[in-house]
Amino acid sequence: DAKTTQPTSMDCAEGRAANLPCNHSTISGNEYVYWYRQIHSQGPQYIIHGLKNNETNEMASLIITEDRKSSTLILPHATLRDTAVYYCIVRAYNAGNMLTFGGGTRLMVKP
Amino acid sequence: DVKVTQSSRYLVKRTGEKVFLECVQDMDHENMFWYRQDPGLGLRLIYFSYDVKMKEKGDIPEGYSVSREKKERFSLILESASTNQTSMYLCASSLAETKETQYFGPGTRLLVL
Repeated sequence: DAKTTQPTSMDCAEGRAANLPCNHSTISGNEYVYWYRQIHSQGPQYIIHGLKNNETNEMASLIITEDRKSSTLILPHATLRDTAVYYCIVRAYNAGNMLTFGGGTRLMVKP
Repeated sequence: DVKVTQSSRYLVKRTGEKVFLECVQDMDHENMFWYRQDPGLGLRLIYFSYDVKMKEKGDIPEGYSVSREKKERFSLILESASTNQTSMYLCASSLAETKETQYFGPGTRLLVL
């Protein structure tokens, strides 16, 4: 799996967009970008994934740069319940059984 | 809505006890996983099952066994609980072809005294 780099922590005002960056400069052509989050004392939650096109679902948008060396997860209108640790994972499709989470970004949404 | 449930949120057991952790998913997923999560160590895979009665060892299977008699249910068994098995245990499931998109249960926080 390609190595990812994320900021340790970020703050966001409630109702504003939260933009969480992830660097993955060694990503290979067959590797996808996946985002998960983990709210305190709960299990991880899948958010979104993409290969090279931007993706959007009911939870978030994923913007991947043209060279695929970085990406941004966007929560368009952050709420207090979005306070969590957000993990960016890069890996090839169906490569191995285990998900490996790095340090992630601790997002604090403030009133 | 996808749903993975675990039998207990919190569990306290004594050293040497046999412990059963149950996980049920209602999404008809082929794959099911058991992880443990410890501060500073991240998620570690204990066992993985890709079909009924089929299992594969993960990174840390020692001291654990699993059972998958039905597609929707995956049980983790601690044969003789020890204090170093105090941890958060997480169950997950996925479709056969998309192991990267895993749906997790709420977790069981186990304390072994």
